[in-house]
Amino acid sequence: AQSVSQHNHHVILSEAASLELGCNYSYGGTVNLFWYVQYPGQHLQLLLKYFSGDPLVKGIKGFEAEFIKSKFSFNLRKPSVQWSDTAEYFCAVKGGYQKVTFGIGTKLQVIP
Amino acid sequence: GAGVSQSPSNKVTEKGKDVELRCDPISGHTALYWYRQRLGQGLEFLIYFQGNSAPDKSGLPSDRFSAERTGESVSTLTIQRTQQEDSAVYLCASSSADRSSYNSPLHFGNGTRLTVT
Repeated sequence: AQSVSQHNHHVILSEAASLELGCNYSYGGTVNLFWYVQYPGQHLQLLLKYFSGDPLVKGIKGFEAEFIKSKFSFNLRKPSVQWSDTAEYFCAVKGGYQKVTFGIGTKLQVIP
Repeated sequence: GAGVSQSPSNKVTEKGKDVELRCDPISGHTALYWYRQRLGQGLEFLIYFQGNSAPDKSGLPSDRFSAERTGESVSTLTIQRTQQEDSAVYLCASSSADRSSYNSPLHFGNGTRLTVT
């Protein structure tokens, strides 16, 4: 069975600070990895995804994530956060033809 | 349609009553998921439909919960004899995942906020 673990449940940062949100997964085979974001009052939307190839994936709004297979990790990063990045971030894994499994989510609060 | 549509957007019901939640996926999407998001908690998987395959019901919390999907279109999630702990936002998502594009991302609806009083 696949599972996802997000390490930080609530993160508070000042504007311009760097961000790294941890995500580890458990699955024995080939995986597809995702980060979704939910801005206040909006529905969940895809931030970025990894299927194959270059393990460093770039997404929207300056976000990126690196797939490290040896560590079963897919951490989300942004060099300089903005107030508008305040949202909840979810890591998700899909092993083969299995269902998509989400982590518990990380609430990010950016202080102006 | 432009996106995944869920109805109603809000539902308040009395404990013990049955409720039915509806999801219209994006046309042509073969995969459909139901998730639940309780206040302050993450996304809890409920059920997954993929084409004509038997649905993955492993996330349904009790036999009070059931879901159906007609072909590759509308899905309904039914909760019988609702309890207060059923209060949550119920999210539906669809994707074009099939054998040729099984890694397609999910498109979410706005959810149905269920409150059981």
